[in-house]
Amino acid sequence: GAGVSQSPSNKVTEKGKDVELRCDPISGHTALYWYRQSLGQGLEFLIYFQGNSAPDKSGLPSDRFSAERTGGSVSTLTIQRTQQEDSAVYLCASSLYPGRPYEQYFGPGTRLTVT
Amino acid sequence: GDSVTQMEGPVTLSEEACLTINCTYTATGYPSLFWYVQYPGEGLQLLLKATKADDKGSNKGFEATYRKETTSFHLEKGSVQVSDSAVYFCALTYYGGSQGNLIFGKGTKLSVKP
Repeated sequence: GAGVSQSPSNKVTEKGKDVELRCDPISGHTALYWYRQSLGQGLEFLIYFQGNSAPDKSGLPSDRFSAERTGGSVSTLTIQRTQQEDSAVYLCASSLYPGRPYEQYFGPGTRLTVT
Repeated sequence: GDSVTQMEGPVTLSEEACLTINCTYTATGYPSLFWYVQYPGEGLQLLLKATKADDKGSNKGFEATYRKETTSFHLEKGSVQVSDSAVYFCALTYYGGSQGNLIFGKGTKLSVKP
């Protein structure tokens, strides 16, 4: 079946511009996570959605970052007024249900380059 | 807070050599432990996991044992292949709660030469 998909695969933007990154989780997966993979920082958790509950935003690095998940499925991560330090690969993952030993399935990522 | 520390890479081995990638963790509770692998040009995928102390996870010839006494989860393989060249991430999470986000180490790049 279809895995987690993300778009775009690559995004180059100028400093100060806003960007939107999209994630389509596996159908039926209730939990969705965003992570960031950057040189020197490894993989960092950003935000977590579970069903219709309020998201856990504890990993967002600044208020320039926000995310939403519409209809319990597709999620969009928005970065406003991008900075060069935002350059990274943004990974989305989904799992069947949190709090249980279900595997998180990762998408291919969006490589963001801020010039 | 919780954290994962794994050995710095890169690690370069010849084919059929033995592999050990060290991973230790700091946790406030009793986490589940994972190794994820990222092959060149591919997404992150689960390699193996262990959900409680003394459990051994295994897959594709790789093994790791959850050692509570040493807070470790070292990845081992007796004979590596060129196709094992990838970046390996150790990670932890908690089950039974409502969150479950993974906390990752910084990754170890493995290169296997023929």
